[in-house]
Amino acid sequence: NAGVTQTPKFQVLKTGQSMTLQCAQDMNHEYMSWYRQDPGMGLRLIHYSVGAGITDQGEVPNGYNVSRSTTEDFPLRLLSAAPSQTSVYFCASRKKASGSSNEQYFGPGTRLTVT
Amino acid sequence: AQSVTQPDIHITVSEGASLELRCNYSYGATPYLFWYVQSPGQGLQLLLKYFSGDTLVQGIKGFEAEFKRSQSSFNLRKPSVHWSDAAEYFCAVGNAGNNRKLIWGLGTSLAVNP
Repeated sequence: NAGVTQTPKFQVLKTGQSMTLQCAQDMNHEYMSWYRQDPGMGLRLIHYSVGAGITDQGEVPNGYNVSRSTTEDFPLRLLSAAPSQTSVYFCASRKKASGSSNEQYFGPGTRLTVT
Repeated sequence: AQSVTQPDIHITVSEGASLELRCNYSYGATPYLFWYVQSPGQGLQLLLKYFSGDTLVQGIKGFEAEFKRSQSSFNLRKPSVHWSDAAEYFCAVGNAGNNRKLIWGLGTSLAVNP
């Protein structure tokens, strides 16, 4: 299986443009998350989902929307891109079971620049 | 407040030398602890994790970490570093029911001299 895949790998947007970052996983994981990674800020949770049809906000949700219509896909939408959203975005997934199976699997990331 | 501190922003070691990356945490509940590695341009990969039991845990790529509850630490070690270990290392803490809200450290960047 491919694990967690993200597209595109790189993207340049102009301020005000909208776009969708794609994330898919083929491991039948219930939980999926979006993070952004910025220098000196570490990983910050944007939105997450505990299953199809269920999403919730993380610590930095403003300016982003998500939906989870299927178990496999968890797209992240930027409604009106701003330079502050220049970042590297990571999607992650994990199984719902608690305990030692809590490992998160990360995608390779999308590097987004907003000019 | 819940937090994870990685005191060393950047470390340089020589190939073949031993390595210790520090991680201290502040967490109200029983912590589940993780170390992840991020190679340049890549996503994060789990190195090892601690949930319970033996406080010395073994991971992939020859890494190990020791949980010390009294010191609120979970330091990562490797006896002999390889050039391919050059990467960013992240420590994270969570609990069994709330792994989606892991608390992340800011990372330690490791450089390896030949």
